[in-house]
Amino acid sequence: GAGVSQTPSNKVTEKGKYVELRCDPISGHTALYWYRQSLGQGPEFLIYFQGTGAADDSGLPNDRFFAVRPEGSVSTLKIQRTERGDSAVYLCASSLRPSSTDTQYFGPGTRLTVL
Amino acid sequence: SQQGEEDPQALSIQEGENATMNCSYKTSINNLQWYRQNSGRGLVHLILIRSNEREKHSGRLRVTLDTSKKSSSLLITASRAADTASYFCGTVNTGKLIFGQGTTLQVKP
Repeated sequence: GAGVSQTPSNKVTEKGKYVELRCDPISGHTALYWYRQSLGQGPEFLIYFQGTGAADDSGLPNDRFFAVRPEGSVSTLKIQRTERGDSAVYLCASSLRPSSTDTQYFGPGTRLTVL
Repeated sequence: SQQGEEDPQALSIQEGENATMNCSYKTSINNLQWYRQNSGRGLVHLILIRSNEREKHSGRLRVTLDTSKKSSSLLITASRAADTASYFCGTVNTGKLIFGQGTTLQVKP
């Protein structure tokens, strides 16, 4: 079956603009996760959804970052007033159940470049 | 913040040799997952080991977990050039994965 997909694969924007990054999880997976990875670093947790609700958003760096998952499937990560420091690869993952028990499967990522 | 650390940060070996990477972490965990990443894009899942397990195998991969020392190791036997990648361990406590900075493995043909 299809894996986790993310669109766009690359996004170039200007400082101050608004961007939306989309994640389509594996069908039937109830848990969805967003991570951010800077060059040379490991992925850092942003937010985790169980169904439609955010179970843990402790990794969101500030109020410019927001994510939704209105129907418990597709999720959108929204970044307002982008800054150059937001440039990174944004990774989405999903798991059948919360990952205290299950494997997280990652998508290919969206590379965001803020000029 | 990063939970753990991988050691070494970089490893270069000849094809056919074994590669061992270590991961240490700080807090209690439910499970630990090893991933491979090529070219800075998506992570490929390798093995999940639960906190009550000590060792797991998958093909040429062997993972150990020592919860008393808060450490794990990944052994790749008979390495191939295609194993060249970055390897990350991620620990799970409350649902989210917490990663270290990874080990970059280069396998020379």
